Amino acid sequence: EAGVAQSPRYKIIEKRQSVAFWCNPISGHATLYWYQQILGQGPKLLIQFQNNGVVDDSQLPKDRFSAERLKGVDSTLKIQPAKLEDSAVYLCASSTRDVGLAITDTQYFGPGTRLTVL
Amino acid sequence: AQSVTQLDSHVSVSEGTPVLLRCNYSSSYSPSLFWYVQHPNKGLQLLLKYTSAATLVKGINGFEAEFKKSETSFHLTKPSAHMSDAAEYFCVVRAWGGDDKIIFGKGTRLHILP
Repeated sequence: EAGVAQSPRYKIIEKRQSVAFWCNPISGHATLYWYQQILGQGPKLLIQFQNNGVVDDSQLPKDRFSAERLKGVDSTLKIQPAKLEDSAVYLCASSTRDVGLAITDTQYFGPGTRLTVL
Repeated sequence: AQSVTQLDSHVSVSEGTPVLLRCNYSSSYSPSLFWYVQHPNKGLQLLLKYTSAATLVKGINGFEAEFKKSETSFHLTKPSAHMSDAAEYFCVVRAWGGDDKIIFGKGTRLHILP
């Protein structure tokens, strides 16, 4: 099956500019995640969608970041305006929940978008 | 609330010797625990996961991890390292119920010496 697709793979912008990233999850996966991974650190969850609804956006800097998943399939993450500290790899992941005696929820990650803010 | 601590930022082992990557967690609820691997310029890949079914979990590429509730640990091991194991490894905790957060550790860089 096809994996999680992300574009672009690389983006260089100047501070105060805007940028948008696109993610297409694995077909049939209801849950979609956006992560920010700063160099030398582990990924940090920015936002989690269940279908087209937001489950968790507690770590999303809402003054400059926004994300949407209008039809419950693909998603866009936008930064407006960008700051130097936004330089990072932005990862998209998707999962499908298997709820039984124990919840199993394996996330499948895309290749990421490397953003450099100058 | 939950947290995860990877005790070593870098680990170096010789090819053919055992690998041990340490992970400690805290969680108010019964957690799911994962190990992911990230090779340079590649996406994160799931190695294995613990979801309360069995405390000893076997994953891909010969890796396994043991969930020890009394020690709040979920260390990753492999009997014999291979050059292709050189990568960044992340321990992840997720607690179901209450404050459902996904927390990644800071990562452990595994170096394999020839």
